[in-house]
Amino acid sequence: DAMVIQNPRYQVTQFGKPVTLSCSQTLNHNVMYWYQQKSSQAPKLLFHYYDKDFNNEADTPDNFQSRRPNTSFCFLDIRSPGLGDAAMYLCATSRETPGTGPEQFFGPGTRLTVL
Amino acid sequence: EDKVVQSPLSLVVHEGDTVTLNCSYEVTNFRSLLWYKQEKKAPTFLFMLTSSGIEKKSGRLSSILDKKELSSILNITATQTGDSAIYLCAVWDRDDKIIFGKGTRLHILP
Repeated sequence: DAMVIQNPRYQVTQFGKPVTLSCSQTLNHNVMYWYQQKSSQAPKLLFHYYDKDFNNEADTPDNFQSRRPNTSFCFLDIRSPGLGDAAMYLCATSRETPGTGPEQFFGPGTRLTVL
Repeated sequence: EDKVVQSPLSLVVHEGDTVTLNCSYEVTNFRSLLWYKQEKKAPTFLFMLTSSGIEKKSGRLSSILDKKELSSILNITATQTGDSAIYLCAVWDRDDKIIFGKGTRLHILP
């Protein structure tokens, strides 16, 4: 089935140790999003790609970077994770074509723990 | 600053009741309003509303947008325990940004 896959589902890292989260999709959608969701809070958009066009939110910390080497894959790199970066990280995709909207398909998320 | 406000923050009702969840927004470059349901996993998409006054329905769920009042409601009739979830409202703007509200936590008692 076409879907959005995130790996790993659970990631434990140490304070300051770089970590990479991955997202892949078989939907051939042109837009991919990364959200951070902390406990009891709404998902917060970190950045999104419209095709290869990267869009960073103004308040996304510099510690967070992203790569999209091709349509199917997108990575979230956290260069020096702090305790405050512990959260669920959600990847989503959508197909943006005229007359349609961002019906988003979310992956299952990666829960990041920082020790 | 763009914002999306949902009310109530939490709601507990009995199975069979009808609930109405509210969402209001202040977004400069509004394009559409989105509703999601989130259980113990990632949010799932429910509705996208772009035009005012046109109700969207899916089974027992329905939603409508009021662009004059900058608000939307999500109705769930004949609630079931499986409707227990967090319901998220979000606004999609013309810069392709999606701004989420804090959500309404709905709990349905059997």
